[in-house]
Amino acid sequence: AQKITQTQPGMFVQEKEAVTLDCTYDTSDPSYGLFWYKQPSSGEMIFLIYQGSYDQQNATEGRYSLNFQKARKSANLVISASQLGDSAMYFCAMREEANAGGTSYGKLTFGQGTILTVHP
Amino acid sequence: AAGVIQSPRHLIKEKRETATLKCYPIPRHDTVYWYQQGPGQDPQFLISFYEKMQSDKGSIPDRFSAQQFSDYHSELNMSSLELGDSALYFCASSLLDTQYFGPGTRLTVL
Repeated sequence: AQKITQTQPGMFVQEKEAVTLDCTYDTSDPSYGLFWYKQPSSGEMIFLIYQGSYDQQNATEGRYSLNFQKARKSANLVISASQLGDSAMYFCAMREEANAGGTSYGKLTFGQGTILTVHP
Repeated sequence: AAGVIQSPRHLIKEKRETATLKCYPIPRHDTVYWYQQGPGQDPQFLISFYEKMQSDKGSIPDRFSAQQFSDYHSELNMSSLELGDSALYFCASSLLDTQYFGPGTRLTVL
């Protein structure tokens, strides 16, 4: 079963407008983390924002905010005032409980990604 | 701020050859992760190390092995390369929850 689902293969937005990228997840772990990464055409994976499952407030980082709805198991990324440089692939990812035998934080499971295109 | 360093950035190999990818995590980060991203796909977890010990293993082929050294750098060794191994290989490091990714090594197998 898909643990992270991004239902929007592609999204278009006008420069300076806001855009929401959808992400739903599935886990039975009480403790987990949700992440968004940006991957430009150059290929690097850039961390944008993090939300912990116990965090009461939605995470914000500059123009990025995460609309966390725990009961609905959704973690949508909102980008305000879009810029041309925001055009990229965006991945939602989840970190579940670390490996029971280890003490490190666990691996990330990624969604399929959403390609965002910002038009001038 | 220091970032994760990966070398080489690009690598071209023939089928059945061997490749070694290197990763230098952010200083003081205690966990290293390796991911493989095929063309048009999302990254898939391969293996991770915490304090130089293997902490988790994903869908890593038996032809691949990895280790973390005393200086915390990690190497991913890939033998008997196949065409399907062509991908972008990421190393990521973390101290707490957030994993920071290196620029990746793009491996092409001919």
